[in-house]
Amino acid sequence: ETGVTQSPTHLIKTRGQQVTLRCSSQSGHNTVSWYQQALGQGPQFIFQYYREEENGRGNFPPRFSGLQFPNYSSELNVNALELDDSALYLCASSSDGGGVETQYFGPGTRLLVL
Amino acid sequence: KNEVEQSPQNLTAQEGEFITINCSYSVGISALHWLQQHPGGGIVSLFMLSSGKKKHGRLIATINIQEKHSSLHITASHPRDSAVYICAVRRIQGAQKLVFGQGTRLTINP
Repeated sequence: ETGVTQSPTHLIKTRGQQVTLRCSSQSGHNTVSWYQQALGQGPQFIFQYYREEENGRGNFPPRFSGLQFPNYSSELNVNALELDDSALYLCASSSDGGGVETQYFGPGTRLLVL
Repeated sequence: KNEVEQSPQNLTAQEGEFITINCSYSVGISALHWLQQHPGGGIVSLFMLSSGKKKHGRLIATINIQEKHSSLHITASHPRDSAVYICAVRRIQGAQKLVFGQGTRLTINP
């Protein structure tokens, strides 16, 4: 148990729809990172939030957006879903604003876009 | 070429064997993580290294900063060690994100 939870665990959407994925970090963790993991691949960095502000972004289009809340929860929103968005979405929390502390991963949300 | 390369991609061994998984990277890093991912997706952090060697139970991780190389060793392997092992580095530049290798799928047969 890492103390990081994600919801839902599985989700099926159709192309063009919007989706919101949720992550609850460990208490006191002010940094959350989101990753997309396609089948058979390593995770790819989407973005990171530190103290409720975006603190770095990977090579993902603007239809991927996020929010971080003061209660250590965060959201990943994806608009205009495409088939290639089907993946496992992982969040990871830490307490260091992107430094060298251990990252604690959630179990992931598996999204299928039809 | 990926910034983080792991070898082998797949490894099958018998229970009790000594296992080595390798990770090479091509960028300057502040830390390297070894992670374990079981079927179903959840990722567990095994080690975080910036130099030297760390040991936890039957797992040992080493890193050589000059050679940009790290290894994860499992002694007396057991079927419950079967998982995907992922190496990830935190770059000195763009330190917000972890850059992941593609993972090594390890299967330990009884």
